[in-house]
Amino acid sequence: AQSVTQLGSHVSVSEGALVLLRCNYSSSVPPYLFWYVQYPNQGLQLLLKYTSAATLVKGINGFEAEFKKSETSFHLTKPSAHMSDAAEYFCALSSRGDDKIIFGKGTRLHILP
Amino acid sequence: DTGVSQDPRHKITKRGQNVTFRCDPISEHNRLYWYRQTLGQGPEFLTYFQNEAQLEKSRLLSDRFSAERPKGSFSTLEIQRTEQGDSAMYLCASSGRGSSSYNEQFFGPGTRLTVL
Repeated sequence: AQSVTQLGSHVSVSEGALVLLRCNYSSSVPPYLFWYVQYPNQGLQLLLKYTSAATLVKGINGFEAEFKKSETSFHLTKPSAHMSDAAEYFCALSSRGDDKIIFGKGTRLHILP
Repeated sequence: DTGVSQDPRHKITKRGQNVTFRCDPISEHNRLYWYRQTLGQGPEFLTYFQNEAQLEKSRLLSDRFSAERPKGSFSTLEIQRTEQGDSAMYLCASSGRGSSSYNEQFFGPGTRLTVL
């Protein structure tokens, strides 16, 4: 069975500090991996995706993530946090031939001034 | 705006009532998905359509839930005899016919259902 685990339901960082949101996955087949962001009362926006090309994936708003097969991880990072980054972030996976996306429980990112 | 739209954005109903939600996908997209997101959780897959055919249903989709996409364009999700446990955000997404192995799903803003 496929699953996604996000470590930490809440993460707080100071403005300008490094953002690190952790995600581990379990999948019996090579996965596609994603990070989505959700602002209050809005739908999900795709930040970045890994689809078996480069293992270091760059996304929008300065975010990037690295696929590490040996660690079954896909952690999300941003060098310098901005107040506008405060939101809920979801790590997710799907697989070739299976359209549904499996989401983690989410991590709420708080930015401290 | 050519994104995915959902109507209504909010719905408050009493337990036992029926509710229906509508999703309009991006016009050239042939695949449409429904997800449910409860408080403090990530979205969970409910069902998806390719054109008008419903190809997969989650076990979360009880007999009280029915989804349709009659002409392969918009879709409706109906919940009969609502229960308090049905309170959630219902998200719709669509994806296109792209030639790559992965077709990005674009999400709508969701319909928030509150069952009193």
